[in-house]
Amino acid sequence: AQSVAQPEDQVNVAEGNPLTVKCTYSVSGNPYLFWYVQYPNRGLQFLLKYITGDNLVKGSYGFEAEFNKSQTSFHLKKPSALVSDSALYFCAVRDRVDTGFQKLVFGTGTRLLVSP
Amino acid sequence: GAGVSQSPRYKVAKRGQDVALRCDPISGHVSLFWYQQALGQGPEFLTYFQNEAQLDKSGLPSDRFFAERPEGSVSTLKIQRTQQEDSAVYLCASSLGLAGGVKAGELFFGEGSRLTVL
Repeated sequence: AQSVAQPEDQVNVAEGNPLTVKCTYSVSGNPYLFWYVQYPNRGLQFLLKYITGDNLVKGSYGFEAEFNKSQTSFHLKKPSALVSDSALYFCAVRDRVDTGFQKLVFGTGTRLLVSP
Repeated sequence: GAGVSQSPRYKVAKRGQDVALRCDPISGHVSLFWYQQALGQGPEFLTYFQNEAQLDKSGLPSDRFFAERPEGSVSTLKIQRTQQEDSAVYLCASSLGLAGGVKAGELFFGEGSRLTVL
């Protein structure tokens, strides 16, 4: 079965510094990978995805993610963190890529805290 | 509305009560998903609808859980004889359903229904 792992429960970074939120995956076949963000009392919001093509994927709010096949990783990055980026971030992989089914399997989440 | 709407936002039930959670997806979205998110965990898949057809219910934890989408729009997740372990946030998500298209996997989530079973 497809799965993702987020090894850090929490990431702390100062505003203006670069941030990285880690994700590794385990899939059979080509991976379809996603990042979602959850702000307090809000629903999950799609940030970006990797399906195929360039290994560096750009998404919403200045976030980007780097797909690394050899390391089976899909780390989320941002060059300069904002206090407003503080939220819960989920990595996800699409299950059953051999069908048209869009079911996503989520990681356990990483809380990002950006300090002023 | 513009987004996925879920109601009630908060529900407190006594153990053994039945509850019904409603999801109103984005108009025109073919696919509808229910996820369960326990405290401190990521969302876990419950069930999936394509229009009115329930194509996958493999994530439903027991036969006390039942979901329907009779007209291919609004969906209801029903939990019978609630137990304390059912306490969680229940998330509904919808999407265009274009499995291979550029929007594939881009789910639009509601704010969730937080169920507390006492």
